[in-house]
Amino acid sequence: GENVEQHPSTLSVQEGDSAVIKCTYSDSASNYFPWYKQELGKRPQLIIDIRSNVGEKKDQRIAVTLNKTAKHFSLHITETQPEDSAVYFCAADDYKLSFGAGTTVTVRA
Amino acid sequence: DTGVSQNPRHKITKRGQNVTFRCDPISEHNRLYWYRQTLGQGPEFLTYFQNEAQLEKSRLLSDRFSAERPKGSFSTLEIQRTEQGDSAMYLCASSDRDRGQNEQYFGPGTRLTVT
Repeated sequence: GENVEQHPSTLSVQEGDSAVIKCTYSDSASNYFPWYKQELGKRPQLIIDIRSNVGEKKDQRIAVTLNKTAKHFSLHITETQPEDSAVYFCAADDYKLSFGAGTTVTVRA
Repeated sequence: DTGVSQNPRHKITKRGQNVTFRCDPISEHNRLYWYRQTLGQGPEFLTYFQNEAQLEKSRLLSDRFSAERPKGSFSTLEIQRTEQGDSAMYLCASSDRDRGQNEQYFGPGTRLTVT
């Protein structure tokens, strides 16, 4: 089955700086890679996704890159704000989602 | 609210009791998924349905767990003879895979505490 590894497990950044989270996956059949943001006690929320035929996608301050050859993908958050503080999960989809262990992002004001 | 809904939001039960959770997916979404999330971890896949057909069950889903989606709309997840290790957040998600949309949207979850 699919195995997704996510790094780092915690990330503390100064407000206005960038945050980068990296994930690797094992199953070359996976072709869809979503990122979820989960605030304490709330549901995971889809924030951005990328399909295997695309190398990069951007939505305002958030961007995701995918390297299919190396089987890794990354989330980039620029100009971080306190409301970006949350747990972020990457996932790989081969018809079901396999999640990474999560990254706790703390944005210091 | 047109999002995924789950009931109850919280359930406290004693070890050995049976519990049942309900999930109502986004209308017309043909796929429905169940995941389990423990503290500090990402959601883990349990099972999924395409309409009323249950297509896959994870090895995490022991014989004490059963899920149904009888009419292809809402789904129920039942845990029999609960154990303390069953304590977790049970999340439901739905997607419109028939239209080629991979996005899965999650409900708020049911937090189960087994005492």
